[in-house]
Amino acid sequence: EVQLVESGGGLVQPGRSLRLSCAASGFTFDGYAMHWVRQAPGKGLEWVSSISWNGDDKAYADSVKGRFTISRDNAKNSLYLQMNSLRAEDTALFYCAKGGGRAVAGGRDWFDPWGQGTQVTVSS
Amino acid sequence: SYVLTQPPSVSVAPGQTARITCGENNIGSKSVHWYQQKPGQAPVLVVYHDSDRPSGIPERFSGSNSGKAATLTISRVEAGDEADYYCQVWDTSSDRLNWVFGGGTKLTVL
Repeated sequence: EVQLVESGGGLVQPGRSLRLSCAASGFTFDGYAMHWVRQAPGKGLEWVSSISWNGDDKAYADSVKGRFTISRDNAKNSLYLQMNSLRAEDTALFYCAKGGGRAVAGGRDWFDPWGQGTQVTVSS
Repeated sequence: SYVLTQPPSVSVAPGQTARITCGENNIGSKSVHWYQQKPGQAPVLVVYHDSDRPSGIPERFSGSNSGKAATLTISRVEAGDEADYYCQVWDTSSDRLNWVFGGGTKLTVL
């Protein structure tokens, strides 16, 4: 069974940093792209970032570009999101999701499954 | 930037058919995925590539995509279908490449 478990969320002050992790199991991790999606309280889904199977291709939403960095460690079956210069508007539940194929987009590019999420709250 | 327009809410009686649209110019040229999110739960893929259904998703869920709107159709709606539904596409229309989600549609089963 595919499992994705996010961790690393918490309460952080504006301007500070946080690193999210997503531990994957139940599939060949290095065969798939991975994604981060967030959901602010009471709001819809917002794509954050994606990374290809080998880490060579990365994509970011405009709202986080230059502040967030996605990475992966295939030896550890783990996905990461380094979040710097956090803002109040970054407050959200952050989900990691498995891609349908190796690439960030194109071909088998759906998000399935998703983890249960880790809460990030940015407040002074 | 690319915007996917969904109706905020759709209401339907049990046993009837619900149709949720996802609109934008030229969406017919894109591949659309649909997700279901029940309260307090993570999203679940229900339709991919416009009209394909993942294993484990009931045949009552189907999708189509043509012209200016993609549509998720739920036949013989059940109380357990009550959820938020989101469409998703990969946007290559601008100089930025990014995934886009629709604003979501709350399906209420009367």
